[in-house]
Amino acid sequence: AQTVTQSQPEMSVQEAETVTLSCTYDTSESDYYLFWYKQPPSRQMILVIRQEAYKQQNATENRFSVNFQKAAKSFSLKISDSQLGDAAMYFCAYRTPQGGSEKLVFGKGTKLTVNP
Amino acid sequence: SAVISQKPSRDICQRGTSLTIQCQVDSQVTMMFWYRQQPGQSLTLIATANQGSEATYESGFVIDKFPISRPNLTFSTLTVSNMSPEDSSIYLCSVERKLAPKPTFFGPGTRLTVL
Repeated sequence: AQTVTQSQPEMSVQEAETVTLSCTYDTSESDYYLFWYKQPPSRQMILVIRQEAYKQQNATENRFSVNFQKAAKSFSLKISDSQLGDAAMYFCAYRTPQGGSEKLVFGKGTKLTVNP
Repeated sequence: SAVISQKPSRDICQRGTSLTIQCQVDSQVTMMFWYRQQPGQSLTLIATANQGSEATYESGFVIDKFPISRPNLTFSTLTVSNMSPEDSSIYLCSVERKLAPKPTFFGPGTRLTVL
């Protein structure tokens, strides 16, 4: 079974600085999708960024980028120029595209604090 | 993205009662899901809501406890039956887009407290 591990329960960063959140996963599949979700105190799950495993190029979305290392099964999220609004729980998630839709498997999350 | 609404946004219920949560999407979607997020925990899939057929439940979740309806492609309900304090959680509806990488979008969640 696929598993997702986020080894950092909590992280903190100074406003305007850069922080990297770690995520590793375990799978025997060669094709899959990876996601980072943000959950602020409002509890709304917000899709931050997505990566297809067959793409070598790392995904970027404005201040958010990933470092996808397929061989190492690593999918870290880098937040540049951190803002107070980035404070939230961040969840890494995995999905295989085979057989139609498969469930998302989530990591336990990393709580990010942004200090002014 | 998809606009997803859930009702109620929160509720406090007595042990032994049942609560039905509604999920409405602004456009037709193929796949709808229900997740549970227990306090301080990550999300766990309860079931996939199938239109026109019985829901598909994950291990550890049963239809008698969490009956699900999906009468059309934009609406689903989840009922939490015979509630106990252990059912206190956030329940989230989600939908999946067809095109790869099939991102999943979530509703705002329903915060349930069982006394």
